[in-house]
Amino acid sequence: GNSVTQMEGPVTLSEEAFLTINCTYTATGYPSLFWYVQYPGEGLQLLLKATKADDKGSNKGFEATYRKETTSFHLEKGSVQVSDSAVYFCALSDSQNYGQNFVFGPGTRLSVLP
Amino acid sequence: DTAVSQTPKYLVTQMGNDKSIKCEQNLGHDTMYWYKQDSKKFLKIMFSYNNKELIINETVPNRFSPKSPDKAHLNLHINSLELGDSAVYFCASSQDAAGGPADTQYFGPGTRLTVL
Repeated sequence: GNSVTQMEGPVTLSEEAFLTINCTYTATGYPSLFWYVQYPGEGLQLLLKATKADDKGSNKGFEATYRKETTSFHLEKGSVQVSDSAVYFCALSDSQNYGQNFVFGPGTRLSVLP
Repeated sequence: DTAVSQTPKYLVTQMGNDKSIKCEQNLGHDTMYWYKQDSKKFLKIMFSYNNKELIINETVPNRFSPKSPDKAHLNLHINSLELGDSAVYFCASSQDAAGGPADTQYFGPGTRLTVL
C-alpha cells in the first residue's frame, strides 16, 4: 500500500541555517507529491507540490524535487526564519489506489531560534 | 471570507454523548474530506465525498457518520463518544479528487474535541 515516511523531529535550527526535511514515499501508481505546513493553532496549508518525476515545487524560499528513482521529495530552504517554525507534512495523492488516495507523513516539527 | 470553515472550534463533552461538527466551503470545490489528527500530530483521512457521494470511507468506527446535504457542506456526526475520540478534526476540500490536476486540499482551522 501507499505510505509516506518523514524524518523524525523535532528539528531545531538557528535563524539563517540551512534546512532539509527528508521525505520518502511508497506508491503503486504515479502520485502527486505535496508539502503542507501547519502553523500553531491552524489548519494545514499547501506549501508546494509536484505532479511528475523531476518536477520541482517551490514557494516562500522552500523547494522540493520529485525524485522517482529514489522515491523522495525532500524539503529544503537555504536560510530559515523564526516565522518558519511549524509542523511540516509530506503527502501524496494517488488516483490508482482506492482507500489510500491521500496519505500524509507523520509530520516534522521545526523550531527556529533567533 | 473564510474558504473552509468549521464549527465549533472547541468541543468539550462527556463520554457517551452524541455531537456534530459542521463544515462549509465557499470555494466551489467538488470534493470534501474529514481528517483526524491525534496528539502526536499524526493525520489520518476518515472520509471523502465527491459531489455529495461517498468515495473514501476508511476504517473508522460506525459511530462516525458523515453527511453531505450539498456540495458545499460536509458534516460529521459522532455517536456515543469515547475517550479515544479526543483529537483535532479537520475538514478539507479540493476541486478534484485524488490524482486530478487540481487536487490540492484546502483545510479548515480544525475542531478540537475533548471527551471527558
